[in-house]
Amino acid sequence: GEDVEQSLFLSVREGDSSVINCTYTDSSSTYLYWYKQEPGAGLQLLTYIFSNMDMKQDQRLTVLLNKKDKHLSLRIADTQTGDSAIYFCAESTGTASKLTFGTGTRLQVTL
Amino acid sequence: DSGVTQTPKHLITATGQRVTLRCSPRSGDLSVYWYQQSLDQGLQFLIQYYNGEERAKGNILERFSAQQFPDLHSELNLSSLELGDSALYFCASSARDRLAKNIQYFGAGTRLSVL
Repeated sequence: GEDVEQSLFLSVREGDSSVINCTYTDSSSTYLYWYKQEPGAGLQLLTYIFSNMDMKQDQRLTVLLNKKDKHLSLRIADTQTGDSAIYFCAESTGTASKLTFGTGTRLQVTL
Repeated sequence: DSGVTQTPKHLITATGQRVTLRCSPRSGDLSVYWYQQSLDQGLQFLIQYYNGEERAKGNILERFSAQQFPDLHSELNLSSLELGDSALYFCASSARDRLAKNIQYFGAGTRLSVL
């Protein structure tokens, strides 16, 4: 079945790197996504990775995928106060279009 | 701006009432999805329409229904509202359907408060 888990909270200092982790159970996941939700706003797609890839880098964002352990991580380099938000990982499986979301990780960036 | 428009932004109503939430997808997108975000259930998929036809159903209550019109906008109808229906309702759109890569773009959501 589909189940996506994330830790609830992460606090980092401005300028440090943030690493947000996600585990999923569905081995047929094809694409995995990271979305960002700022207070009072919708979900903004940050990046995505295909399940046959190990890593994807996009400016300050690095996504790592360990398919054997069903573990996904999002690393944000040089974290800024504007990165404070809730981060959701999500998966799509096979030819199903729906997204299954994790519980979300609240990232707090302190000065 | 994702290009997905949802109206209204906020809705306050009473138990037992019926409301309609509206979504206009990004230009050219044929698929529309509805999701519910609540504190206890998190973000859950409700239903998907593709080019006017229902494609997939998730955890959608029988009191809820949706449709997609010929101009591709979609409406989510919630009836016999209960306190527990208070949530943020998101609409998302994507270009196509049933593809391995199917990027969904989300609207800003409609916050429903049932009093």
